[in-house]
Amino acid sequence: DIQMTQSPSSLSASVGDRVTITCRASQSISSYVNWYQQKPGKAPNLLIYAASSLQSGVPSRFSGSGSGTDFTLTISNLQPEDFATYYCQQSHTAHTFGQGTKLHIK
Amino acid sequence: EVQLVESGGGSVQPGGSLRLSCAASGFTFSSYAMTWVRQAPGKGLEWVSVITGSGGSTDYVDSVKGRFTISRDNSKNTLYLQMNSLRAEDTAIYYCAKSLLSARYGFDYWGQGTLVTVSS
Repeated sequence: DIQMTQSPSSLSASVGDRVTITCRASQSISSYVNWYQQKPGKAPNLLIYAASSLQSGVPSRFSGSGSGTDFTLTISNLQPEDFATYYCQQSHTAHTFGQGTKLHIK
Repeated sequence: EVQLVESGGGSVQPGGSLRLSCAASGFTFSSYAMTWVRQAPGKGLEWVSVITGSGGSTDYVDSVKGRFTISRDNSKNTLYLQMNSLRAEDTAIYYCAKSLLSARYGFDYWGQGTLVTVSS
């Protein structure tokens, strides 16, 4: 099974900051990584698919990169609505989510 | 407008069974893979199962293999998850979700979730 190790598990930042969340796969998964945002009491929302493609309707301050085993989600110019939990997901072999990163307001 | 509405959750004793349903509308249901993802209280997301648009191929997380069965009725635009031999660790909100292009490209629409509680 492919494991996804996401870091950090928690992150504090201020409005206007740039933050980066990383995911490392236990084996090469090409570019089959997707990123989601989840707010309390809500279903996840797809942000990035295939490592770097921005999902329709998602603000351009969200970006993704990486291939192979190492992937990043970057949020530039943090907005108040961005404080949430973020998950990576591999879809190369079955599916696995990372443990999540909770983004707090500093 | 794409809509996914789950139902069938509830409380059940360990060893019991439940069948979840996900009613889909607003898209050509048979053209998309569908998945179930669960989230235990206060925990992260866990992928459970996926099924192709035709229903011809399925996959499961190891912890539910042999106990859960995913299926779909494309004539009714409905996805199912039959859950047998339920355990306390199956307690979670269960979400159904639609694939973006294929299941390789993530899941772009999600239901509101249905809560399954397994407890004696």
